[in-house]
Amino acid sequence: TQLLEQSPQFLSIQEGENLTVYCNSSSVFSSLQWYRQEPGEGPVLLVTVVTGGEVKKLKRLTFQFGDARKDSSLHITAAQPGDTGLYLCAGVGTSYGKLTFGQGTILTVHP
Amino acid sequence: KAGVTQTPRYLIKTRGQQVTLSCSPISGHRSVSWYQQTPGQGLQFLFEYFSETQRNKGNFPGRFSGRQFSNSRSEMNVSTLELGDSALYLCASSQQGSGAFFGQGTRLTVV
Repeated sequence: TQLLEQSPQFLSIQEGENLTVYCNSSSVFSSLQWYRQEPGEGPVLLVTVVTGGEVKKLKRLTFQFGDARKDSSLHITAAQPGDTGLYLCAGVGTSYGKLTFGQGTILTVHP
Repeated sequence: KAGVTQTPRYLIKTRGQQVTLSCSPISGHRSVSWYQQTPGQGLQFLFEYFSETQRNKGNFPGRFSGRQFSNSRSEMNVSTLELGDSALYLCASSQQGSGAFFGQGTRLTVV
């Protein structure tokens, strides 16, 4: 069974601070995705990383895929209250329709 | 392009009853997956359907079933409802290389 461990589970910071969320697994995934979910809504895809060592940037968000394709991180620079939400990492195995999710990180950014 | 549509949004059922949830995927997407989201367990994969065939199945009891129609619309059914089945049920549609697009979910409460 493939498992993803995500940390931290909760993060409460002030506006302007930086933060990093980690996603680790003992298994190799063909790709890894990051989602953001707001209350009452479904998760929304932020990025997919495919190649070991890959780094992708989305405005103030930086995503990294580990060289061995077992771990990933999400770094947010100068967090804003609008970044508040549940961040989820998800591993894609042999089928792109089956995602294995981490437990999620609840981020709260205070003004 | 219309997004993923799930109906109903909210549902209250009594223990022992059965329930059917519906999902209309993004046009052209043939893969439809279902997930259960609870505060304690996070997002867990239920099953995936592709071209009317179940392609993957998660570790849920046989009370959870699904099907997909020729127009890719999907339904999931839960029989003999238990209190622990209370959750947000999310449907996602995807195609190769696209990531998953989630609906808003159906909030099921079993009383």
